[in-house]
Order: sequence, then C-alpha cells, then structure tokens
Amino acid sequence: DTAVSQTPKYLVTQMGNDKSIKCEQNLGHDTMYWYKQDSKKFLKIMFSYNNKELIINETVPNRFSPKSPDKAHLNLHINSLELGDSAVYFCASSQGQGPLPYTFGSGTRLTVV
Amino acid sequence: GQQVMQIPQYQHVQEGEDFTTYCNSSTTLSNIQWYKQRPGGHPVFLIQLVKSGEVKKQKRLTFQFGEAKKNSSLHITATQTTDVGTYFCALNTGNQFYFGTGTSLTVIP
Repeated sequence: DTAVSQTPKYLVTQMGNDKSIKCEQNLGHDTMYWYKQDSKKFLKIMFSYNNKELIINETVPNRFSPKSPDKAHLNLHINSLELGDSAVYFCASSQGQGPLPYTFGSGTRLTVV
Repeated sequence: GQQVMQIPQYQHVQEGEDFTTYCNSSTTLSNIQWYKQRPGGHPVFLIQLVKSGEVKKQKRLTFQFGEAKKNSSLHITATQTTDVGTYFCALNTGNQFYFGTGTSLTVIP
C-alpha cells in the first residue's frame, strides 16, 4: 500500500556505468518530481512532470534523463555515472503544481565508486 | 536554484528542553510548508501555513507564519527522543517551490 515507491533502495555502481531508478505513485496525483539530497541534506529539485509533461528542469547535467510513461510513473536514467552523483534521490508526488503537500518516496541511495 | 536559509543548521538539546527552528525569506510568500525527515528516512509533510500571522499546533509542535509572510518558525516544547531528525521548511515564491537548508535536531536522553 506504499503511496510513492522507488526502486531500488540502494544502488552501488562503478563510475561510467548507466543506471535507472524507478518511481511509481498510487495516489492519483498528477505531478511527480525528482529531488537530489546531498551529504549536507540539502534537497534540490531536479525535474518536475505534470501529466507526463516536463514542467521543471533545473540545471542538471544532461546525463540525467527523466521519463514519464504515464502520470503514475516517473523514472530517472543516469548515463556515465560520476563520483559526484553519489547522493540520495527522492521521488515525490503532489496533486497539482505549486505549493501543495508533497508525498515522498523512501529514497534511493546511490553510491558511485 | 534559490537557497532558503534555516537557522540553526544543527541543534543539540537535552530531552525535555524546547527547540525552535526559523525559516527566513527575502520575498513575500504565498504559503509555507514544514516537513520532518527522520535519520535514514524521507521527508514527511507536517503542516501548511497560508495566512499572515497564522499559528497552528500539533501536540507539542507550534508552527507560526510571520505577519509579513516572509518568515516562519517551528517550536517544539519539551523535546523527546522521537523528535530527532531534520526539519525543513518549504516555500513557494511565484511558481517556484524551494526547500530550506534544514535544521538537524539531536535530542540527548
């Protein structure tokens, strides 16, 4: 019954590899997000999708590519992983855009070695 | 992207002491939200404040929105070890939504 589920929970990979993180929400929300949380716990938005359309694309290397096959799913693909990509990545969703309560997934801890 | 400052960045308190974190913006806000993230967990929505001067309470937690809608505070009375975690404000300016830098609370039993 998890509202926003992310897989995998942990991901350890070598530099240069390509990896994907999947996110699904069963709340019926129409907006989904990807956030990156660094070691200092700062939460930085990466992407926002509303009804499968890209709304926000902050300054993120183009090695990061989101894909939303439908409004319940938002996946994140990362090419050519670098050490600096190590972080916790959170998926979140909300009903509508803007200042509405977010529901976060449990996060994916990515470690690049 | 914009960084929203919260102070303090870290706070250690003895169990039973009070705790307050502040969130400050240079611009007028339409509303503000507060989230709590337990160690190893994910941010969980606590509350949203909309009106100027609004005060809301949740048990030992008191949330306040400034009269000018440029700042907010979260106060915890008589902290318990279950209060440990990082508290984030999240605010909306125009069509952008930002999380604060967070305040990490440690409660010493």
